[in-house]
Amino acid sequence: GAVVSQHPSWVICKSGTSVKIECRSLDFQATTMFWYRQFPKQSLMLMATSNEGSKATYEQGVEKDKFLINHASLTLSTLTVTSAHPEDSSFYICSAPTAGANVLTFGAGSRLTVL
Amino acid sequence: SQQGEEDPQALSIQEGENATMNCSYKTSINNLQWYRQNSGRGLVHLILIRSNEREKHSGRLRVTLDTSKKSSSLLITASRAADTASYFCATDDIGSNYKLTFGKGTLLTVNP
Repeated sequence: GAVVSQHPSWVICKSGTSVKIECRSLDFQATTMFWYRQFPKQSLMLMATSNEGSKATYEQGVEKDKFLINHASLTLSTLTVTSAHPEDSSFYICSAPTAGANVLTFGAGSRLTVL
Repeated sequence: SQQGEEDPQALSIQEGENATMNCSYKTSINNLQWYRQNSGRGLVHLILIRSNEREKHSGRLRVTLDTSKKSSSLLITASRAADTASYFCATDDIGSNYKLTFGKGTLLTVNP
């Protein structure tokens, strides 16, 4: 079945640094990928829709300059948290629609801790 | 904003019992899906039910959809300890282009 690989699974960084999270579709092409943020014991909040070859579409209230999204190929989307602060600590999850269906395949998630 | 609302927020049962989780939503949908999330992991798709379907089965899972009440239920029969996880409903709103809206989830604990 479809597999989405997300890396790193966890990262700890100092305040003010930038962190890049990668999301790869391993056995299918993904022209669209979604990036979510999840706080402990809460639901997923859609941050942005990543579109291959064009600009990402951000949800209301999500800072474009803070969360940089790049989707340069049909199998890779990256989320860069720039100048991270402790309030950016969260669980970030990517997903991609599988071909011909509205079903999403999710990455395993990346837990970011900003000290 | 999250339009799906699951209840209960948490459910604790014994192995072998059935678990029922409910989801309500607010807008017109193309389909409704249920996902499972083990602690600290990504989500795994369980089942999709289209807006013109009323009931669907997959193994020990049974999903119902009532579009007039804008609600759905997920029944897990003969639960196992390995079913312990959070369960989320997600709606594919008409015109959303694959963008799903997730509910708040139900944390199911199955005690051995």
